[in-house]
Amino acid sequence: QKEVEQDPGPLSVPEGAIVSLNCTYSNSAFQYFMWYRQYSRKGPELLMYTYSSGNKEDGRFTAQVDKSSKYISLFIRDSQPSDSATYLCLFSGGYNKLIFGAGTRLAVHP
Amino acid sequence: NAGVTQTPKFQVLKTGQSMTLQCAQDMNHNSMYWYRQDPGMGLRLIYYSASEGTTDKGEVPNGYNVSRLNKREFSLRLESAAPSQTSVYFCASSGGNEQFFGPGTRLTVL
Repeated sequence: QKEVEQDPGPLSVPEGAIVSLNCTYSNSAFQYFMWYRQYSRKGPELLMYTYSSGNKEDGRFTAQVDKSSKYISLFIRDSQPSDSATYLCLFSGGYNKLIFGAGTRLAVHP
Repeated sequence: NAGVTQTPKFQVLKTGQSMTLQCAQDMNHNSMYWYRQDPGMGLRLIYYSASEGTTDKGEVPNGYNVSRLNKREFSLRLESAAPSQTSVYFCASSGGNEQFFGPGTRLTVL
């Protein structure tokens, strides 16, 4: 079993839709959970960072962590064409325990 | 602030050639990282430096060496490039648990 699983997509939605992106993990040592957005041919940029179970909201983005189920989600409300990118989850358990998901490609069409 | 910068942006090597990828950050972060990104595999940690003067192996260190030249700079060296090292290389820095990425170097080994 992989330590981190992320559906690669692609996910195609109409503008204005609510998008749900998910990652599961198996290692209880992970303490910090991050979501990155990566546009084509660019470096990843940090969107959300959490370390506790529950929800964290930032504008149109909500990060959800369920440590008991080992599951994290990123919700995007009122999705825009500019949200079209690859979304990566990152799990951190320390300096040498940094595992990325493979990324989910999202396309939001007008 | 430039954030994290990487040079070069693109490079083509022949098998057996050597080269050094450069990375610098101006955020006064203690920790720096090198990742490679391959299609369908997300980002994988090659080496990291928790602080100036220290370096450690990540998930995929074989074929690479690193130098933490000072607090700002962290270089990645390929001594004898192989086609399997064709990838996009990202440098990142961190002052806590969040990581900030550079724009990447696209390396092709023929």
